[in-house]
Amino acid sequence: GAGVSQSPSNKVTEKGKDVELRCDPISGHTALYWYRQSLGQGLEFLIYFQGNSAPDKSGLPSDRFSAERTGGSVSTLTIQRTQQEDSAVYLCASSKQGDEQFFGPGTRLTVL
Amino acid sequence: GENVEQHPSTLSVQEGDSAVIKCTYSDSASNYFPWYKQELGKGPQLIIDIRSNVGEKKDQRIAVTLNKTAKHFSLHITETQPEDSAVYFCAARTANSGYALNFGKGTSLLVTP
Repeated sequence: GAGVSQSPSNKVTEKGKDVELRCDPISGHTALYWYRQSLGQGLEFLIYFQGNSAPDKSGLPSDRFSAERTGGSVSTLTIQRTQQEDSAVYLCASSKQGDEQFFGPGTRLTVL
Repeated sequence: GENVEQHPSTLSVQEGDSAVIKCTYSDSASNYFPWYKQELGKGPQLIIDIRSNVGEKKDQRIAVTLNKTAKHFSLHITETQPEDSAVYFCAARTANSGYALNFGKGTSLLVTP
């Protein structure tokens, strides 16, 4: 079946612009996660959605970062007033609660 | 919060040899330890995982061991093949902090023919 999909695959933006990254999880998966992977680093947790519960935003690095999950499915990660240090690969994962997390291919964000 | 350390950062082995990657974690409440393989331009893919009530798990050429007392776990790949070349990440999850994973910084494995 279809895996986790993310769009766009690549995004180049100018410093100060806002960007939106999209994640389509696997159908039926109630949990959705966003991670950030900087060059040569591990994955850094950003935010976690589980069903209709309030999201766990404890990993968001600043108030410029926000995310929504509409209808318990698609999620959008928004970065406002982008900075060069926001350049990274943004990975989305989904799972049935507590089970294996399946990752998408990521969105590579470059802030000039 | 949980801190996961992973070693080595790079590993080069000859085809057919074994490869071992080690991770340590800080939170004794962690109870789930997955290993992911990431190929260039792709998202991480789970290759094996272990829960804290088990000391060892094996799946064909891949095995993971867990020492809860010492708070470390290791990935063992036997009879390595060139297609095993990738970046491998360990992770740990603490039951009382949701289901987000805390990742190590990765090991770049190169298997030379």
